[in-house]
Amino acid sequence: GQNIDQPTEMTATEGAIVQINCTYQTSGFNGLFWYQQHAGEAPTFLSYNVLDGLEEKGRFSSFLSRSKGYSYLLLKELQMKDSASYLCAVRVGYSGATNKLIFGTGTLLAVQP
Amino acid sequence: GAVVSQHPSWVICKSGTSVKIECRSLDFQATTMFWYRQFPKQSLMLMATSNEGSKATYEQGVEKDKFLINHASLTLSTLTVTSAHPEDSSFYICSARPLARGSYNEQFFGPGTRLTVL
Repeated sequence: GQNIDQPTEMTATEGAIVQINCTYQTSGFNGLFWYQQHAGEAPTFLSYNVLDGLEEKGRFSSFLSRSKGYSYLLLKELQMKDSASYLCAVRVGYSGATNKLIFGTGTLLAVQP
Repeated sequence: GAVVSQHPSWVICKSGTSVKIECRSLDFQATTMFWYRQFPKQSLMLMATSNEGSKATYEQGVEKDKFLINHASLTLSTLTVTSAHPEDSSFYICSARPLARGSYNEQFFGPGTRLTVL
């Protein structure tokens, strides 16, 4: 089966740092994505990891440990506009119809002044 | 680049009617498009994978006769919710994977369609 877990909700303060964790157990692994989604809008791409280690993109960083089935998204210098849902998604399969994204439960982040 | 549109953005219909949702890749060709459903405060659930010119592959538990998918060209896929019922009310999101693969072979998401069945 496919199982991807994230905390349901988190609260953080403007200007602070927050880490959103994601653990996964999937049949196959071909990369892990993090998306940001504001209410009623489409997800937007934040980061991608396929090898172990840390990927940094500005205020956002994402870490992956394939042996542990674990990833986290790190948001620095939080801004009010960062209040959104953060979705962890694992790509399974390699070609054709088997290459698809399995989304986690999503983490609703509330940034407070 | 890599823009995906959906039409309509929202729709309200009566129970028992059918609703068609279009997903278009505006500036790229997509061999594969995906249809997701998202209920309030929940994550995206993959409904089906659509490949141009072939039958869609449905996820377990998704009724293919109720959710008809047509991917007639490299830029257009449609989802038809047949005989819609209130429990079909949801946010439907499509995504498209470009023919020319990017660095991450990622999907690009449409803005979603809010379906409300009365």
